[in-house]
Amino acid sequence: AQSVAQPEDQVNVAEGNPLTVKCTYSVSGNPYLFWYVQYPNRGLQFLLKYITGDNLVKGSYGFEAEFNKSQTSFHLKKPSALVSDSALYFCAVSAPSGGSYRPTFGRGTSLIVHP
Amino acid sequence: GAGVSQSPSNKVTEKGKDVELRCDPISGHTALYWYRQSLGQGLEFLIYFQGNSAPDKSGLPSDRFSAERTGGSVSTLTIQRTQQEDSAVYLCASSSPDGRYGYTFGSGTRLTVV
Repeated sequence: AQSVAQPEDQVNVAEGNPLTVKCTYSVSGNPYLFWYVQYPNRGLQFLLKYITGDNLVKGSYGFEAEFNKSQTSFHLKKPSALVSDSALYFCAVSAPSGGSYRPTFGRGTSLIVHP
Repeated sequence: GAGVSQSPSNKVTEKGKDVELRCDPISGHTALYWYRQSLGQGLEFLIYFQGNSAPDKSGLPSDRFSAERTGGSVSTLTIQRTQQEDSAVYLCASSSPDGRYGYTFGSGTRLTVV
């Protein structure tokens, strides 16, 4: 069975500092990996994905993530945080399993960027 | 359509009543997913439709929950005899068959059982 772990319930960072939101996963076979962001009272918005190719993927709003197969990780990063980045972030993984591409989402990490 | 549409956006119902939640996916998306999100919590998988295949119902929490997808498009999630613990935001998403382009979520239906 596939699984995703987001070990931090909350990440606090000062505006202008780099941020990292951690994600590790477990699947059989090659994973598809995703990051989503959820602002208060809104649905989930797509940030970026890794399907194949370069391990470093760039996405919306200046975010990027690095696929590390040996560590089974897909951490979300941004060089300089903004207060407006404060939101709930979800990592997700999917992989073919009997023909199912159902994604599994992590519990979410609340990112708080302080002015 | 341009996005995933869910209706109603808010629903308040009395305990014991039945409710129906609707999801209209992106045209051409063969995969459709229902999740539940309780206040400040993560996403709990409910059910997954993929084309004409039998749906994956493994996440439905009880037999009071059911869902159908008519004509490979619109889906309806039905909760019978609602309980207070059913109060949550119900999210629907759709995607291409393998999800490689990502999953597009609707804005959700906030269900409150009083």
